[in-house]
Amino acid sequence: DGGITQSPKYLFRKEGQNVTLSCEQNLNHDAMYWYRQDPGQGLRLIYYSQIVNDFQKGDIAEGYSVSREKKESFPLTVTSAQKNPTAFYLCASRGPQKNYGYTFGSGTRLTVV
Amino acid sequence: QKEVEQNSGPLSVPEGAIASLNCTYSDRGSQSFFWYRQYSGKSPELIMSIYSNGDKEDGRFTAQLNKASQYVSLLIRDSQPSDSATYLCAVVTGGGNKLTFGTGTQLKVEL
Repeated sequence: DGGITQSPKYLFRKEGQNVTLSCEQNLNHDAMYWYRQDPGQGLRLIYYSQIVNDFQKGDIAEGYSVSREKKESFPLTVTSAQKNPTAFYLCASRGPQKNYGYTFGSGTRLTVV
Repeated sequence: QKEVEQNSGPLSVPEGAIASLNCTYSDRGSQSFFWYRQYSGKSPELIMSIYSNGDKEDGRFTAQLNKASQYVSLLIRDSQPSDSATYLCAVVTGGGNKLTFGTGTQLKVEL
């Protein structure tokens, strides 16, 4: 079955540590997105990529980095520069037309310990 | 002004009633609108999309769009306890390259 796989489901980060969240899709979608969700704040866009080897900053990119070396993969690194990384992270992809809805992965819950 | 606005709720309705969820958006150029349902601790799932003014029905769900008023709504008929969730309104913005979400409305369907 086609879909988006995020891993791990739960992740714990120590202060000052970089961590990478995985996002893989087999939907053959060109566009992929990373969102962060905090209680009461909805989903906020971190980074997005419309094509391999290209990506754009979203509304809250500071402290995060991404790469898009393959169409299927769009990993997100949460760096030590992100001062408040505890959140629910969601990866999504979109079909070929701009009016397609997004398909979401199951999410990664990141906690700073 | 936020790009997409929703009342946070909670909106409480009795079982079997109609739940009405509302959303306004600021980008007059937006052409595509979506409603997602999100259960606590889970990722959002797409339940309705609408692109033209008027109503679109799918089972117990009806989406309504009024571009002149920049208003989108979702009606849920015969509400069930399983409909209790947060409903997110989403609008394609940024020239069609990204989806912007409202903060969501929490719906509680009471027995």
